Amino acid sequence: DAGVIQSPRHEVTEMGQEVTLRCKPISGHNSLFWYRQTMMRGLELLIYFNNNVPIDDSGMPEDRFSAKMPNASFSTLKIQPSEPRDSAVYFCASRSGQGGQPQHFGDGTRLSIL
Amino acid sequence: EDQVTQSPEALRLQEGESSSLNCSYTVSGLRGLFWYRQDPGKGPEFLFTLYSAGEEKEKERLKATLTKKESFLHITAPKPEDSATYLCAVQANGNKLVFGAGTILRVKS
Repeated sequence: DAGVIQSPRHEVTEMGQEVTLRCKPISGHNSLFWYRQTMMRGLELLIYFNNNVPIDDSGMPEDRFSAKMPNASFSTLKIQPSEPRDSAVYFCASRSGQGGQPQHFGDGTRLSIL
Repeated sequence: EDQVTQSPEALRLQEGESSSLNCSYTVSGLRGLFWYRQDPGKGPEFLFTLYSAGEEKEKERLKATLTKKESFLHITAPKPEDSATYLCAVQANGNKLVFGAGTILRVKS
């Protein structure tokens, strides 16, 4: 079975540029989550969607960050403009059903902002 | 505020040397406690979900247990391929998972 697919796997760009990260959740899953992982702060939830609707974006650090889910099989996380402190690994996860079910993660996008 | 604390931060074992990882948590209204394994350059891989105190789950050399305040991941006769970072997460009301910092396990042959 195909898992959660993220692209690109690595992104290196200069400060001020727009960055778009992409995610394809597992087919049939109705919830999608975006996380950021750093050495200092570990895994942090940025935003999650239920049935393509954003439910909680309280983890989004600033207005420079935005996320969309135009349909059940695709989501994007955009950073504009990017800053060096945004450098991290960004993970997407999806889940079926309601709370209490496990989330399944993609292999992440390693983002480096120079 | 929901909190998860994992110990130790790092653990080095000889192949075959059994041990346990700890996950202490404070949460109001636990809906599930999750264990994940993360290899370098990969996303967290789901291992177990525990829902109530007294529950146990097993998979190969791993066994997870749960009390009202903590969970243990017991590793019996580990092999080098068990080397990874093990993450614990709790879910309270709502959909948010709160993760611990993880335990880095190294098993030497």
